[in-house]
Amino acid sequence: NAGVTQTPKFRVLKTGQSMTLLCAQDMNHEYMYWYRQDPGMGLRLIHYSVGEGTTAKGEVPDGYNVSRLKKQNFLLGLESAAPSQTSVYFCASSLVTNEQFFGPGTRLTVL
Amino acid sequence: GQQVMQIPQYQHVQEGEDFTTYCNSSTTLSNIQWYKQRPGGHPVFLIQLVKSGEVKKQKRLTFQFGEAKKNSSLHITATQTTDVGTYFCAGPRWDNAGNMLTFGGGTRLMVKP
Repeated sequence: NAGVTQTPKFRVLKTGQSMTLLCAQDMNHEYMYWYRQDPGMGLRLIHYSVGEGTTAKGEVPDGYNVSRLKKQNFLLGLESAAPSQTSVYFCASSLVTNEQFFGPGTRLTVL
Repeated sequence: GQQVMQIPQYQHVQEGEDFTTYCNSSTTLSNIQWYKQRPGGHPVFLIQLVKSGEVKKQKRLTFQFGEAKKNSSLHITATQTTDVGTYFCAGPRWDNAGNMLTFGGGTRLMVKP
């Protein structure tokens, strides 16, 4: 099993460009999450999903959109990137209240 | 809303010294989870505590859950360079949509050989 995978690993964008981050899990988990991690800020939840076709806002959802068309995939979109969105993005999945399994992360720089 | 705070934010220790990080929640928790993130890596689940006053050990790591289920601690005995990383606690919360974790800000442990 690959666990949780994220694509791409690194990306550099210019202000105003758009991109989609892909998260995939092969553990048949219902819950999936997108976090961002900034230096000294810990992990902040952007959006999450409790099942295929559902999404919900987390702590810092502004500027991001998500979709969960298939149970194993959770996409995070940036429609118009801003320098403030420079961060490391982690995807995670879990079985409801159980431990979360994290992907390796995507390092995004917005110039 | 629910807040989870950790202290200290950073800790430098000499190899062989002990280390403790403390986690406090603004609300009573049904359980608490601990994660470790190595430098450049991703968070990895260590343990979950559920019962009031629970103490669990993993080799040199001792985890405690407070009697009121609002605080927790992680103690490492005789640190090694392999313990380097950031340790996060996390507590679950629910809203109308479902369940999520609130993470503390983490304690970054640095170990001098």
